[in-house]
Amino acid sequence: AAGVIQSPRHLIKEKRETATLKCYPIPRHDTVYWYQQGPGQDPQFLISFYEKMQSDKGSIPDRFSAQQFSDYHSELNMSSLELGDSALYFCASSHRGRNQPQHFGDGTRLSIL
Amino acid sequence: AQKVTQAQTEISVVEKEDVTLDCVYETRDTTYYLFWYKQPPSGELVFLIRRNSFDEQNEISGRYSWNFQKSTSSFNFTITASQVVDSAVYFCALSGSGQFYFGTGTSLTVIP
Repeated sequence: AAGVIQSPRHLIKEKRETATLKCYPIPRHDTVYWYQQGPGQDPQFLISFYEKMQSDKGSIPDRFSAQQFSDYHSELNMSSLELGDSALYFCASSHRGRNQPQHFGDGTRLSIL
Repeated sequence: AQKVTQAQTEISVVEKEDVTLDCVYETRDTTYYLFWYKQPPSGELVFLIRRNSFDEQNEISGRYSWNFQKSTSSFNFTITASQVVDSAVYFCALSGSGQFYFGTGTSLTVIP
C-alpha cells in the first residue's frame, strides 16, 4: 500500500539559509500534519492542513510556513535556519476527522551546520 | 490540558520475556483517542493502535496487547515473548481536539 512520501530524506543547510520540505500524503487522505522531532525527544506538532486550509497550529516558529496544494501535497518552508532547527521532520496524513490515525512518512533529517 | 506521561524512559528485557510499557494521560475532553506508535532505529513512526475513550475493551494483536483503563487514565501496552525486532522507541499519544500529544517515549531494548 502506498505510504506517506517525504522528500528529501536528508538535507544539510547552513545557518540563515532556507529549506523546503515536501510531503505527499497517502492517496485519498485529505489531512496533512507536520511534526518536528529533536534528538531524543518526542515529536512536536507544528501545523496541520485539511482540504488545503490550515486547521491547527502548534509550536511552529514564525520563520516557518507551510501550505497544502490542490493535489494535497504539502510543503514546509523554513527560513533563516538556526542550529536548533536540526531535527527530524515528519509529515503525517489521515482521513478527514481529527482523531483518525495519522500515518507517518519516513521523515526528513535536517542538519544545520 | 492534554498530557501524556510515559514514566519509563528505558527498558531492557531478555528475549522471550514479556514487557509492559506504561502510558498515563490527562485530558479534559470527554471524547478522545489514544494511540501507540513504534519508532524503530531506522526512524520512521509506525502506527500500532487507536482506541477511543468509549471503548475500554482490551485488544490483542498477535504478541501485542493493550489495556485501556479509564478509571486510572492509563493505556498500557504489553509485548509478550519479546523479540529483538521489538527493540524501538514506543510512543503513546493522545488526540482530543485535533492535535496529537505524544509522550516522551519508552526506549525498549530486547537483548538476545
